Amino acid sequence: QVQLVQSGAEVKKPGASVKVSCKASGYTFTSYDINWVRQATGQGLEWMGWMIPNNGNTGYAQTFQGRVTLTRNTSESTAYLELNSLTSEDTAVYYCARRALGYSSDYWGQGTLVTVSS
Amino acid sequence: DIQMTQSPSSLSASVGDRVTITCRTSQSISIYLNWYQQKPGKAPKLLIYSASSLQSGVPSRFSGSGSGTDFTLTISSLQPEDFATYYCQHSYDTPYTFGQGTKLEIK
Repeated sequence: QVQLVQSGAEVKKPGASVKVSCKASGYTFTSYDINWVRQATGQGLEWMGWMIPNNGNTGYAQTFQGRVTLTRNTSESTAYLELNSLTSEDTAVYYCARRALGYSSDYWGQGTLVTVSS
Repeated sequence: DIQMTQSPSSLSASVGDRVTITCRTSQSISIYLNWYQQKPGKAPKLLIYSASSLQSGVPSRFSGSGSGTDFTLTISSLQPEDFATYYCQHSYDTPYTFGQGTKLEIK
């Protein structure tokens, strides 16, 4: 069965960076793009960017341009999100999701809570 | 960026009710509109993609319609497990913006 398993919760200080992993299984990793979405506590969903695992091409929301980097390790079927220059406003649950028909997201990781606090 | 206006922001309904949630976009997106359900502490779940296509495994009481700028999600007969928050999202071009969400509560 298709699964996306994300790394565990992180606590970071303002100004630091965080790297979240998303390990795919149950399908061919390079056949589906990966979306990243975040959700602050009690808030809505915010799309951050996407990556094509086959060639590493990426696209980012302007809000995060220059601060976010999406990468992958195809031999480990794992996608990564790195976010720099963290502030308290980056405290959120970060999700990876497989991009499927109609560019929807059909399978999601369980989410990774990133807390930014001094 | 394409703006999403989802309404209502909250809704109280009873088991067995028919419920409709609407999503309006700031420009035409053809049928590049998806609907998700999210329960507290869980990841979103895809219900409808391409405006009206039912995701595999999703009950047929969920349906979607619309094209261009106006879209609806309908639940034909609410079940207890349907009380959740629902989001629309366009996938016409990046950024793939989400609506603000509709919290569906038990009356």
